[in-house]
Amino acid sequence: RKEVEQDPGPFNVPEGATVAFNCTYSNSASQSFFWYRQDCRKEPKLLMSVYSSGNEDGRFTAQLNRASQYISLLIRDSKLSDSATYLCLGYSSASKIIFGSGTRLSIRP
Amino acid sequence: GAVVSQHPSWVICKSGTSVKIECRSLDFQATTMFWYRQFPKQSLMLMATSNEGSKATYEQGVEKDKFLINHASLTLSTLTVTSAHPEDSSFYICSAPQDYEQYFGPGTRLTVT
Repeated sequence: RKEVEQDPGPFNVPEGATVAFNCTYSNSASQSFFWYRQDCRKEPKLLMSVYSSGNEDGRFTAQLNRASQYISLLIRDSKLSDSATYLCLGYSSASKIIFGSGTRLSIRP
Repeated sequence: GAVVSQHPSWVICKSGTSVKIECRSLDFQATTMFWYRQFPKQSLMLMATSNEGSKATYEQGVEKDKFLINHASLTLSTLTVTSAHPEDSSFYICSAPQDYEQYFGPGTRLTVT
């Protein structure tokens, strides 16, 4: 089983819709999760950190559920410019980096 | 925020030659750096963990003799693709952590002809 499972998508939603996707992780000792955004042919860029208490930044909300071992990203009022691949990244107890394979999101006009 | 650079940004080389890619943390020190490879329309794949002053740790299936990693200083890690072949053509990215956040380099696009 992969340390992090992520639905690869693609998610194809209309502009203005709300979309959410998750990453599940297998190591209960994992900590420090982040959501990254990767555009085509570019490096991943940090979107936001993920806290147990939730983290909101404008239209984006990230949540960490330790009991169920998943992190989530919610995008409200989606824009065309939100089209990208979203990666969840974290650290296992051995300080080893773990990350999902990315979820492709496509926003259509 | 922290900055990680990579050089070169793109390179074309002939089959059989070796190519060196540099990854630098510009304003912070990194005892660990990570190297990834990404093929078109595929996900990021971790190749190895570069450790300053010691041997790199390679992921399963990655040939350590083909992908030589040297982490000679706290701000520089290099990846050398030896005897490159067309199937090594890919997007190579490095990252370095600071305060648990990963900072990614802009990537190096390698094309082997």
